[in-house]
Amino acid sequence: DPKIIQKPKYLVAVTGSEKILICEQYLGHNAMYWYRQSAKKPLEFMFSYSYQKLMDNQTASSRFQPQSSKKNHLDLQITALKPDDSATYFCASSQAWGLRGQNTLYFGAGTRLSVL
Amino acid sequence: GEQVEQLPSSLIVQEGASVLINCSYTDSASVYFPWYKQEPGKRLQFIIDIRSNMERKQNQRLTLLFDKKTKHLSLHITATQPGDSAIYFCSARNNNRIFFGDGTQLVVKP
Repeated sequence: DPKIIQKPKYLVAVTGSEKILICEQYLGHNAMYWYRQSAKKPLEFMFSYSYQKLMDNQTASSRFQPQSSKKNHLDLQITALKPDDSATYFCASSQAWGLRGQNTLYFGAGTRLSVL
Repeated sequence: GEQVEQLPSSLIVQEGASVLINCSYTDSASVYFPWYKQEPGKRLQFIIDIRSNMERKQNQRLTLLFDKKTKHLSLHITATQPGDSAIYFCSARNNNRIFFGDGTQLVVKP
């Protein structure tokens, strides 16, 4: 059974619209992350959270906003969507954040976003 | 920032062959190197890792070698099987971020 659930699996959106990508993990992990994978770039770090607190942010655009309503949830809201946002977005989690902890990443199956 | 490069980008081998995937990184501050495997249409899965105070780690048919001086890693997979067909990602942990290489697509033909 998948322990990291991402919804939806596929998402088609029109330019300028807003979407929310859902991620829930049932591994009891304290850290959660978002990564993006597109044809143009390798797997790219976006955000990291620890105990629902933003720890690190690589994304330049404020159109990408993570939302953590519970420790095991980290949704990603994307506003004013552009065709360049088309990618597969992966949620991941780890036991702890930072170099001291067990930091193997466990990934969700991804949400494939297509912006027309 | 850290840059991770992998070679080759793709490999096609016959079942039973051994393969070598090379990975290099640029920042000497990177201290932890996990590798992941992504089968077609599936999530990335952790397969093996190594820390910068080690030179070698083995997990069944996987052997990971690390050279701190040259900032180079290599993943050796022996006795490959069709089920090993996947994209393999090298990564480096640096300043609490994990940077990934572009991946190596391995195809093992039966």
